[in-house]
Amino acid sequence: GAGVSQSPSNKVTEKGKDVELRCDPISGHTALYWYRQSLGQGLEFLIYFQGNSAPDKSGLPSDRFSAERTGGSVSTLTIQRTQQEDSAVYLCASNEGSGNTIYFGEGSWLTVV
Amino acid sequence: QQQVKQSPQSLIVQKGGISIINCAYENTAFDYFPWYQQFPGKGPALLIAIRPDVSEKKEGRFTISFNKSAKQFSLHIMDSQPGDSATYFCAAGGGTSYGKLTFGQGTILTVHP
Repeated sequence: GAGVSQSPSNKVTEKGKDVELRCDPISGHTALYWYRQSLGQGLEFLIYFQGNSAPDKSGLPSDRFSAERTGGSVSTLTIQRTQQEDSAVYLCASNEGSGNTIYFGEGSWLTVV
Repeated sequence: QQQVKQSPQSLIVQKGGISIINCAYENTAFDYFPWYQQFPGKGPALLIAIRPDVSEKKEGRFTISFNKSAKQFSLHIMDSQPGDSATYFCAAGGGTSYGKLTFGQGTILTVHP
């Protein structure tokens, strides 16, 4: 079956603009995660959705970052008033919720100029 | 408390040699320790994982050694191959979600033919 799908794969935006990044998880996966990978750095947890529960937003770096998940499937990560330090690869992952293994998409590479 | 420290940052090994990457964690609540492999332009993929009830886990050429008292774990790649050249991340997690992981900074492995 299809893996985790993310779009766009690359996005260049001007400082101060808003951006939306989309994630389509593996069909049937109830849990969805967003991570950020800055150049040469490890992955940083951002937010986690599990079923209909309130999301775990503990990793969001500022109130400019938000995410939603509609219908328990597709998720959108929104960054408002982008800054240069937001430049990174934004990775989405999903799993069955009770499982250990999370499956990552190929990421959305965001460049803020 | 939440950090996972990984070393070395980069590693060069000859084909057939042993690659060793080390990680240390602080949070004793962690009970799931995966290793992820990432190729350029791709998302990370689970390589092997261990729980603290065992001291070693082997899958093919890949072995995790785990030292609970020292709060350290390591990845050994036996008979390293050029195709193993990638970035390797250790991670730690547990509790209510095994997908909410704290990652190390990554190790860039280069295996020379």
